[in-house]
Amino acid sequence: AQKITQTQPGMFVQEKEAVTLDCTYDTSDQSYGLFWYKQPSSGEMIFLIYQGSYDEQNATEGRYSLNFQKARKSANLVISASQLGDSAMYFCAMREITGNTGKLIFGQGTTLQVKP
Amino acid sequence: GAVVSQHPSRVICKSGTSVKIECRSLDFQATTMFWYRQFPKQSLMLMATSNEGSKATYEQGVEKDKFLINHASLTLSTLTVTSAHPEDSSFYICSARKGGWASDRQYFGPGTRLTVT
Repeated sequence: AQKITQTQPGMFVQEKEAVTLDCTYDTSDQSYGLFWYKQPSSGEMIFLIYQGSYDEQNATEGRYSLNFQKARKSANLVISASQLGDSAMYFCAMREITGNTGKLIFGQGTTLQVKP
Repeated sequence: GAVVSQHPSRVICKSGTSVKIECRSLDFQATTMFWYRQFPKQSLMLMATSNEGSKATYEQGVEKDKFLINHASLTLSTLTVTSAHPEDSSFYICSARKGGWASDRQYFGPGTRLTVT
């Protein structure tokens, strides 16, 4: 069965510094997708970044980059130059391709607090 | 763009009553929509996959008679919580998939906060 694990319930980072949020996954599928979402206190799910299992290069989107290590089954999110507005809950998710459902399986989440 | 709306954003209902939550894809057609539930400080848990014109597929442990899902058109799916109880109080989020393939991206609605008194 597919599984996503985020082992950091809470993280602190100083404003303007970089922070890495950990995510490991388990799947027997060869084709899968990995996502990171940000959820502020308002509750909306904000898409940050996507990495396909066959993508050879790590995905980047502005201040966000995904450190994809396929052999280790990890997909860590790196946020550079943290801002106060980055304080939120962050979820790693994996998309199931098997059975053509496209279901997303979410990790437990990491609450990030950016200190001024 | 791809915008998904939910209505209402917040609802308070009395125990024993039913409440309907709507999920709409505003600028695209969605043959598949997903319904998630999220308790405070916890992760999103998939409740069911809603396919236009057919019965929803429920995840294990989700009571299909309690959480009725209707995907009557390519832009609208509804979740009805029947005979709601305080333990059903939660944040309900839908997502709509833009495209017919599992690899197509999902877009999330803003969520509905349900409080059952």
